[in-house]
Amino acid sequence: EVQLLESGGGLVQPGGSLRLSCAASGFTFSSYAMSWVRQAPEMGLEWVSTVSTSGATTFYADSVKGRFTISRDNSKNTLFLQMKSLRAEDTALYYCAKHRGAVTTSIDYWGQGALVTVSS
Amino acid sequence: AIQMTQSPSSLSASVGDRVTITCRASQGIRSDLGWYQQKPGKAPNLLIYGASTLQSGVPSRFSGSGSGTDFTLTISSLQPEDFATYYCLQDYNYPRTFGQGTKVEIK
Repeated sequence: EVQLLESGGGLVQPGGSLRLSCAASGFTFSSYAMSWVRQAPEMGLEWVSTVSTSGATTFYADSVKGRFTISRDNSKNTLFLQMKSLRAEDTALYYCAKHRGAVTTSIDYWGQGALVTVSS
Repeated sequence: AIQMTQSPSSLSASVGDRVTITCRASQGIRSDLGWYQQKPGKAPNLLIYGASTLQSGVPSRFSGSGSGTDFTLTISSLQPEDFATYYCLQDYNYPRTFGQGTKVEIK
């Protein structure tokens, strides 16, 4: 059974930093691209970032480019999202998501999310 | 970025009704589209990928069609557990973009 467990969320002041982690199990982590998708309160889904199986290729939404960094540790089956220069508009539930294969494929499984609140 | 326009934004329907949700892409995306269901307080769940391929474990009352710019998600006979919000997501290129969602409510 695919399991994705996010951690690292919390309350942070504007301009601050936070690192999200996603522990994966139930599948061969190194064989699948991974993404982060967020959902602001009472809003729709917004794709944030994707990383290839090896970690060599990454993609970012314009809204986070230059501030967020996606990475993965295939030896530890863990996905990361380093977030810097956080803004109020980054407040959201951040989902870790697994792709069906490479970065060109669709997302098929989601974690339960980690809440990030940016507020003074 | 490709814009995904989903309609309607909400609808009211009864159990047993046939429900259709559409998604239009601002440019052609072949059949690179997925449909997701999200219930309140839960993570999204993949229903359809490749525009028309049913994800394993998803009931057959869900179906998807379309290619190019126009896509449809159909629920053939709405069940109580289907009341949720539905999103389309284009898998054609990056940045990935979602439709704004369709909330299916009980009539």
